[in-house]
Amino acid sequence: NAGVTQTPKFQVLKTGQSMTLQCAQDMNHNSMYWYRQDPGMGLRLIYYSASEGTTDKGEVPNGYNVSRLNKREFSLRLESAAPSQTSVYFCASTMGAGNTGELFFGEGSRLTVL
Amino acid sequence: DAKTTQPPSMDCAEGRAANLPCNHSTISGNEYVYWYRQIHSQGPQYIIHGLKNNETNEMASLIITEDRKSSTLILPHATLRDTAVYYCIVRVLYNFNKFYFGSGTKLNVKP
Repeated sequence: NAGVTQTPKFQVLKTGQSMTLQCAQDMNHNSMYWYRQDPGMGLRLIYYSASEGTTDKGEVPNGYNVSRLNKREFSLRLESAAPSQTSVYFCASTMGAGNTGELFFGEGSRLTVL
Repeated sequence: DAKTTQPPSMDCAEGRAANLPCNHSTISGNEYVYWYRQIHSQGPQYIIHGLKNNETNEMASLIITEDRKSSTLILPHATLRDTAVYYCIVRVLYNFNKFYFGSGTKLNVKP
């Protein structure tokens, strides 16, 4: 069971470059999430997708865009990276609205913006 | 969603019970209490959740007060591998499954 898979695991960007973080889950989950975690801090919700075809903003959406490509995949795009976006990014999934199921996380993608 | 308050850090001796408190005084009747932990920089791991009754699984016990304004996660016999950041989250089922994590409690298990 792969669970939640994130790529890439590590990335270094220069200010102004763009990139996309990919996330895929194989658990047939409806809801998917992107979080960021800065050093010594808790997780902050960037965007989430309650179900295929829907996305919505979380706590810190500025500077990011997302795409729910299909039920399995949820990508996070940085159009013009800034040093403030240096962070560890976690993708997560869960069954969906009304379900008491837990949240499953990927291993994280470590992004450095110079 | 209700906010939670947790102490920033706690120490526990190896082999002793670790009791991690969480305050959620504004919790509403349809909000569940969830606990997760994060070891080093790994993705957080689910531990346990509950609505109003106490819950126990192979990892931990969750004690929710009768008024539901606070809860305690109990690790009955803490080991060094339990050193982690523990997050307490309250979540409304109908709110499209938003999960908001606070800063958590860093539990240091010492030999």
